[in-house]
Amino acid sequence: DADVTQTPRNRITKTGKRIMLECSQTKGHDRMYWYRQDPGLGLRLIYYSFDVKDINKGEISDGYSVSRQAQAKFSLSLESAIPNQTALYFCATSDLNPRGGTLYTQYFGPGTRLTVL
Amino acid sequence: SQQGEEDPQALSIQEGENATMNCSYKTSINNLQWYRQNSGRGLVHLILIRSNEREKHSGRLRVTLDTSKKSSSLLITASRAADTASYFCATDGLSNTGKLIFGQGTTLQVKP
Repeated sequence: DADVTQTPRNRITKTGKRIMLECSQTKGHDRMYWYRQDPGLGLRLIYYSFDVKDINKGEISDGYSVSRQAQAKFSLSLESAIPNQTALYFCATSDLNPRGGTLYTQYFGPGTRLTVL
Repeated sequence: SQQGEEDPQALSIQEGENATMNCSYKTSINNLQWYRQNSGRGLVHLILIRSNEREKHSGRLRVTLDTSKKSSSLLITASRAADTASYFCATDGLSNTGKLIFGQGTTLQVKP
C-alpha cells in the first residue's frame, strides 16, 4: 500500500463550489504539506503543518484552508473554487533525518488533478 | 518567487547518452535535493547533497554543488528510456522547518 494517499485522484467542479481534497499517510511523519503544480511552474507551497496544533501558511494560501484532523490526515479545502485554481495538487510528508540534523526529504502522494469550470 | 531556476527547461537525448541538468538558487542553504516526477505523478526523492559537500553519487546519478555560485548540477549517465521524466531541484533556504522551495524543473526525454 502507498505510504501517502490522496483522494480524489481527479475532480471536476464548477465555480463557486466547495471542494475538499484529502491526504492520509502511514509513514508516521509529523510534518505534512500541500502544494499546487501548474504547467511550466514548479511546486508552490499552499500550507504546511508540523503537528496537529501547528498549521502555517505557505506562499499561496489565499483561497485555501486546511485541517489537520490527526497526525495522519491533512485536508485541503477550496471554500469557493475559481477557474484559476485548476491545477495538480500534491500532499507531502517529511520527518527529521533519523541521524539528526536538518535533512528533510519529502514523500509525495500521487496527486489530485482538479479542474474548476 | 522561486528559489531554484533550472536549465535547460527541456532536454531530449538518445538512450545511452548522458543528461546534465543545472539548478541555480538565490539564498544560502543547508542542503539541496533533486526529485523526479513521471508525467502527472508525485515527486520521488532522488538524492540529497549537504552544503558542505561538493559531489555525491548514487547509482547512475552524480550531483555537484557549488555554494559559491549557488548552483548544482545533476548528471544522469548512460540514460535509459525509463529516465524520461521531469527533474526538480529543491532547497531549504537555511530553514529548519522542513519547507522546501522547488525549481521549475527540467523535462527530460530519452529516446530509445
